[in-house]
Amino acid sequence: EIVLTQSPDFQSVTPKEKVTITCRASQSVGSSLHWYQQKPDQSPKLLIKYASQSFSGVPSRFSGSGSGTDFTLTINSLEAEDAATYYCHQSSSLPHTFGQGTKLEIK
Amino acid sequence: EVQLVQSGAEVKKPGESLKISCQGSGYSFANYWIGWVRQMPGEGPEWMGIIYPGDSDTRYSPSFQGQVTISADKSISTAYLSWSSLKASDTAMYYCARQTGASGTIDSWGQGTLVTVSS
Repeated sequence: EIVLTQSPDFQSVTPKEKVTITCRASQSVGSSLHWYQQKPDQSPKLLIKYASQSFSGVPSRFSGSGSGTDFTLTINSLEAEDAATYYCHQSSSLPHTFGQGTKLEIK
Repeated sequence: EVQLVQSGAEVKKPGESLKISCQGSGYSFANYWIGWVRQMPGEGPEWMGIIYPGDSDTRYSPSFQGQVTISADKSISTAYLSWSSLKASDTAMYYCARQTGASGTIDSWGQGTLVTVSS
């Protein structure tokens, strides 16, 4: 099973700041790495698919990069509504797995 | 618009059986994989398995193989997750999710079904 490790676990940030979340895979997942946002009491929502492809309707301040084992989710000019927990997910091999999550708090 | 609508919250006792559902609409249900994801309180998501409603091809995570059954009825665009004997440790939120392929991303999620198992 591929283990995904996110860092940091928690980050407190101010609006308009740039945020970077990383996800490291225990073995290569190619580009089959996706990012989701989950707000309290809501279902997760897809932000970025296949490492760097933006999903329809997602604000352009969200972007992704990486391949193989190291991936990054970047949020440019953070907004208050971005307070949430962010998860990476690999679909390269079964069983699919998720990272442990990164919780963003807005100061 | 793609929609996945799940059945309502359940409260059960240990040892009881349960089947929860997920009805898809707004797309060709038979042609997309449907997955199930567990999220325990305060924890991250855990991928349980997927089913292709077109031919009922099913894949399980080893962590959940033998513990749950995933099924689907394409005639009514509905997928199911079932337990034969619930445990307290099955208490969690369960999401169904549309996957774009067996190795695809999850592009749509149900609203979740909260399952509480308590004596």
